[in-house]
Amino acid sequence: EIVLTQSPGTLSLSPGERATLSCRASQSVTNNYLAWYQQKPGQAPRLLIYGASRRETGIPDRFSGSGSGTDFTLTISRLEPEDFVVYYCQQYDNSPRTFGQGTKVEIK
Amino acid sequence: EVQLVQSGAEVKKPGESLKISCKGSGYSFTSYWIAWVRLMPEKGLEWMGMIYPGVSETRYSPSFQGQVTISADESITTAYLQWSSLKASDTAMYYCARHSGTGYTYPFDYWGQGTLVTVSS
Repeated sequence: EIVLTQSPGTLSLSPGERATLSCRASQSVTNNYLAWYQQKPGQAPRLLIYGASRRETGIPDRFSGSGSGTDFTLTISRLEPEDFVVYYCQQYDNSPRTFGQGTKVEIK
Repeated sequence: EVQLVQSGAEVKKPGESLKISCKGSGYSFTSYWIAWVRLMPEKGLEWMGMIYPGVSETRYSPSFQGQVTISADESITTAYLQWSSLKASDTAMYYCARHSGTGYTYPFDYWGQGTLVTVSS
């Protein structure tokens, strides 16, 4: 099973600042089958990034993904008020699929 | 428009059985894997397993194997998650989610609205 470790657990920033979220895998995620999701309170998760760096249709370009192998990053270039929620990474390379434990982005 | 619509919230007692549903529409139901994902406070999202409705092929996480059963009825384009004997620790929000492509290795692009299951004596 691939264990995904997200850091930090909580990120305290101000609107307009840049957010950098990390996701580290316990073994290599082949083909970069790594996705990022955003979850707002009371809503289902929303797919932001897949294939480590490909933005899903309709996702603002302030969201970007990078990385390969075992180290992946989600960057939000300029935080908007609606971005202060929880983000999860997920690998869909092998079974069982696994998620990271989440990073909460909160207003400083 | 692709939609996954889940059944409503449930309140059950320990030891009771339960089957929750996820109805897909707006796409070829038999061609896409559907997964079930649990959300518990302080634990985040957990992948439970998935089903390919076209042939009812299933995969389970070792953490949930034997604890739940995933099934589907293609005639009514509905997937199911069921428990034979609920525990208080099953209290959580459960989501169904569809793979974004017709193959095995895809992320989840469409999600149901979630079904809250509460198990309490």
